[in-house]
Amino acid sequence: DAGVIQSPRHEVTEMGQEVTLRCKPISGHDYLFWYRQTMMRGLELLIYFNNNVPIDDSGMPEDRFSAKMPNASFSTLKIQPSEPRDSAVYFCASCPGTGMGEGAIYFGEGSWLTVV
Amino acid sequence: DQQVKQNSPSLSVQEGRISILNCDYTNSMFDYFLWYKKYPAEGPTFLISISSIKDKNEDGRFTVFLNKSAKHLSLHIVPSQPGDSAVYFCAARIFGNEKLTFGTGTRLTIIP
Repeated sequence: DAGVIQSPRHEVTEMGQEVTLRCKPISGHDYLFWYRQTMMRGLELLIYFNNNVPIDDSGMPEDRFSAKMPNASFSTLKIQPSEPRDSAVYFCASCPGTGMGEGAIYFGEGSWLTVV
Repeated sequence: DQQVKQNSPSLSVQEGRISILNCDYTNSMFDYFLWYKKYPAEGPTFLISISSIKDKNEDGRFTVFLNKSAKHLSLHIVPSQPGDSAVYFCAARIFGNEKLTFGTGTRLTIIP
């Protein structure tokens, strides 16, 4: 059974450029999450969706960040314009919903972003 | 405001001994707690969880203990094996809310 699939795995871009990260959640999962990992803050939630609708975007750093989920099998996280401080690992995760399974969320392998 | 705290950035343990990883939380609304393990260049993987109605949950070599009054949980790994070397994240959620709040992680190194 395929897990959460993210692309690209690695991205190096110049400051000011637009970056788009992509995610395909596990089939049948109703929730999708975007997290960012940094040394200082660990894993921080940026935004999450339920049935393609954004529920909580309070973790999105600023207007340069946007996320969409046009359908149940695809989501994007966009940074425009990118800055060096955006360099981090961005994880997408999904889960089926409350009371199902072990209550865990399941992560992809991450997208490593470096902005120079 | 870090609601889930892992105060030890790193821990080294001899192979075969017990590893104890600690986690503290400040939000009394949290009622479900999880531990994740992360290898380099991979995503975090779910390890074990515990509901606030319990004080212990065991799965093979892994046991999680919850002390609600102290707002503290710990993960015990016995016996520790080289493959346990990884970063361990503690996470918590509020009932009815799917999002997880994570700590900053503890890097565990098992010494052969």
